[in-house]
Amino acid sequence: NAGVTQTPKFRVLKTGQSMTLLCAQDMNHEYMYWYRQDPGMGLRLIHYSVGEGTTAKGEVPDGYNVSRLKKQNFLLGLESAAPSQTSVYFCASRPSGFSFYGYTFGSGTRLTVV
Amino acid sequence: AQSVAQPEDQVNVAEGNPLTVKCTYSVSGNPYLFWYVQYPNRGLQFLLKYITGDNLVKGSYGFEAEFNKSQTSFHLKKPSALVSDSALYFCAVRDSGNTGKLIFGQGTTLQVKP
Repeated sequence: NAGVTQTPKFRVLKTGQSMTLLCAQDMNHEYMYWYRQDPGMGLRLIHYSVGEGTTAKGEVPDGYNVSRLKKQNFLLGLESAAPSQTSVYFCASRPSGFSFYGYTFGSGTRLTVV
Repeated sequence: AQSVAQPEDQVNVAEGNPLTVKCTYSVSGNPYLFWYVQYPNRGLQFLLKYITGDNLVKGSYGFEAEFNKSQTSFHLKKPSALVSDSALYFCAVRDSGNTGKLIFGQGTTLQVKP
């Protein structure tokens, strides 16, 4: 099925460890976004990309890095995980221009940092 | 600054009764407004959106939303609630800049009791 796939779905990290979350979309969308979801705070934008090879910071970028070497993939990296990064991470994509549904979200990655 | 507010953390209704989940927004220019639903341990599902046109927007699963420009509101409604509607609901507005990012409210938990 076409859509946005996030891997892994769950992960437990120790403080200081690193990891990469992968977001892959097969809809040829230009724009991709990484959000984190925390109770009572909604979804906050971490980083985003407006096209292959481009990235930009969102609201809460500290402690994260991203890369978009291929149009279909948007990687979110944690170089040195901290307990404050315990969250559910969502990736989203959308095409350029007008689209009825606009944004397609992945099913999320639940990350716990201990 | 653009923002979305959902003033209620939780809404409780009895099955069969009408429900309303409130949302107000602040955005420069014309707003593009969205409602998403999140079931437990799942990703975000698109319910409906307002771009332009009729102030009453109909969406998935019998939900509708009323856009009120003078009150800067976009309340989600359903005439008769189902227990299966119990979930977390997010209102969002599309950023008016060229990033097209979504700005989310903090979310409202809807609890429908039999």
